[in-house]
Amino acid sequence: QAQLQQWGAGLLNASETLALTCAVYGGSFSGYYWTWIRQTPGKGLEHVGGVDHTGNTDYNPALSGRLTISADTSKNQFSLRLASVTAADSGIYYCARRLFPVGDTYFDPWGQGTLVTVSS
Amino acid sequence: QPLLTQPPSLSASPGASVRLTCTLRSGLNVDSYRVYWYQVKPGSPPLYLLRYRSTSDFQQGSGVPSRFSGSKDGLANAAILLISGLQSDDEADYYCMIWHRAVFFGGGTKLTVL
Repeated sequence: QAQLQQWGAGLLNASETLALTCAVYGGSFSGYYWTWIRQTPGKGLEHVGGVDHTGNTDYNPALSGRLTISADTSKNQFSLRLASVTAADSGIYYCARRLFPVGDTYFDPWGQGTLVTVSS
Repeated sequence: QPLLTQPPSLSASPGASVRLTCTLRSGLNVDSYRVYWYQVKPGSPPLYLLRYRSTSDFQQGSGVPSRFSGSKDGLANAAILLISGLQSDDEADYYCMIWHRAVFFGGGTKLTVL
C-alpha cells in the first residue's frame, strides 16, 4: 500500500516561487500519475496537475503558465513549482496518486497536506 | 453554473443518518458518471471513501466502513453519500468528484456532528 509524505516551505511572499516535494513509499512509481491538488478557501478542491514516471505532465490550464511538475524516479519523488504566487494561491496543497480505471480517474492515497500562506 | 453543486453545510446528531448530495449540472446525466467521494479533515490526509454509479458499479475505498455508502437520485440528477450511525469523528468536509474530460470537484459540504 503506497504512502505519500510531502514537504516544502509554507510561507511565501507574493511573486515568489512555491516549491513542494512528495515522496512515495511502497508500491510502484510507474503506471500512475502523481498529482497535486489544492484546497483553497474560495474554491474548495482544485486539481493542480500531475506527472507520470516518464515525465509526461497534465496541468490545470488555469495554472499551466506558472506551473512545473517533475518526477525523480531514482528517489520515487515528484515535485511542484508554482511561480509568481499571489494570495489566491494560499491554501492546503496535497499530493496524491492518480489512478485510471477504464475511462475514468480518481485519487488514492493522498499526502498529509502542506499549508501554504502567501503574504502580500 | 458549476458542474457539481453541493450544499455548503449540513449538521446532524450522533447516531443519525445523513444524506450528502452532489447535483450534476443540467445536461449531465448522473446515470452516466462514476461519482467519487472524499473526506477531508484538518491535519489528516484526505480519504477516498467510495465510488458509485449503480448498484453493479460501485467501489468502497480501502478500509472505509460500510456505514458510508453511495446512491443516486435520478429525479434530482444527484449523487448521494449516505452516512449512517453518525460519529463525532465523521465531522469533516466532503467532496464529490467526476471525470468529464477533466477532473471536476464539487464545492464541498461541511458536515457538523452536533
